[in-house]
Amino acid sequence: GQNIDQPTEMTATEGAIVQINCTYQTSGFNGLFWYQQHAGEAPTFLSYNVLDGLEEKGRFSSFLSRSKGYSYLLLKELQMKDSASYLCAGLDSNYQLIWGAGTKLIIKP
Amino acid sequence: DTGVSQNPRHKITKRGQNVTFRCDPISEHNRLYWYRQTLGQGPEFLTYFQNEAQLEKSRLLSDRFSAERPKGSFSTLEIQRTEQGDSAMYLCASSNQGRGGYTFGSGTRLTVV
Repeated sequence: GQNIDQPTEMTATEGAIVQINCTYQTSGFNGLFWYQQHAGEAPTFLSYNVLDGLEEKGRFSSFLSRSKGYSYLLLKELQMKDSASYLCAGLDSNYQLIWGAGTKLIIKP
Repeated sequence: DTGVSQNPRHKITKRGQNVTFRCDPISEHNRLYWYRQTLGQGPEFLTYFQNEAQLEKSRLLSDRFSAERPKGSFSTLEIQRTEQGDSAMYLCASSNQGRGGYTFGSGTRLTVV
């Protein structure tokens, strides 16, 4: 079957660093996405990894290991506005996204 | 192009009524997806179109749900005889042949009372 696992909730402090992990099992693999979703809003695209390694984009970085079926999203210099849910999604062989339930990130001052 | 547009943003309806939502995708995108999302969950796949063809429907999509994309542009999602369990955010997304990131609309929040 296809499955995406990520923690339900994480808490971090403003200015700190947090890593949100995701493990995936998909039928075929065409990449791994991270989306950010604020409460009551639609998901917005953060990153896409299809090759192993780290992709850095400002304060956000995303890592992929295809052999381990593992990805993480790294958020640096956390700001209060980063409080949101972070959704991990795998793109399967039919180019359909398989979604995790999301990780709710709570930032404390 | 202003991205993916969904209407209405909010809909409150009485149980048993029919509702219809509309999605206008990014014009050059040929794939259009409908998802349902409830609080604390990731988006739940409902159906998708490639151009005007409906290629897949989720087993979770009961016969009360129907979607169309008659000209390969905008799409409608209709729910007949709504139930309280249908209350959710209905998200539309589009992509170009499924490659790259999906672009989501703002969603339609449905409340069935």
